[in-house]
Amino acid sequence: DTGVSQNPRHKITKRGQNVTFRCDPISEHNRLYWYRQTLGQGPEFLTYFQNEAQLEKSRLLSDRFSAERPKGSFSTLEIQRTEQGDSAMYLCASSPAGFGTDTQYFGPGTRLTVL
Amino acid sequence: DQQVKQNSPSLSVQEGRISILNCDYTNSMFDYFLWYKKYPAEGPTFLISISSIKDKNEDGRFTVFLNKSAKHLSLHIVPSQPGDSAVYFCAARGGADGLTFGKGTHLIIQP
Repeated sequence: DTGVSQNPRHKITKRGQNVTFRCDPISEHNRLYWYRQTLGQGPEFLTYFQNEAQLEKSRLLSDRFSAERPKGSFSTLEIQRTEQGDSAMYLCASSPAGFGTDTQYFGPGTRLTVL
Repeated sequence: DQQVKQNSPSLSVQEGRISILNCDYTNSMFDYFLWYKKYPAEGPTFLISISSIKDKNEDGRFTVFLNKSAKHLSLHIVPSQPGDSAVYFCAARGGADGLTFGKGTHLIIQP
């Protein structure tokens, strides 16, 4: 399967704990995006990588959130000192670089529950 | 301030008929629009897209129409099938950052 994969699919944690999610994009896709989706809402953009460079961050991405994409391949999203408001589906998407190729392909998501 | 709006939270259509899902946007800088379909507990699946230089794009049973002057786009599905029952999201791109999504429309295909 050559689609976007995300691990874990589900994560339950206690408030105050740190969590880390992983995303493996489609091979040869230069761009990688993280989104968050809460109940009744559409996905909301968090951050974006072009290869290993993090080029854009949403104001939704507080200081407790950090994302990396070492070597321009997989990416990790870490949330420190989790809060109940962080409970959401975290989605990763990838797209090839280049003008007019902005179709983003999404992974299955990681559902985070903070107790 | 919602830049992409899907004003119908749900839509019920009889199998075999046409489904029309609507989307309005406010940001004139949006230049690329996409529709995604989402089943519960899965990520959004890309359906069809349209560039702002076009007014129509067709792919099988799916057609997207763009009216730039009205800042409105619509997705037509014909004929509607039971497997089309899902939440449909309209999304827009403006610049290099991520997509802006609407809140979605839950399409229910009645047998």
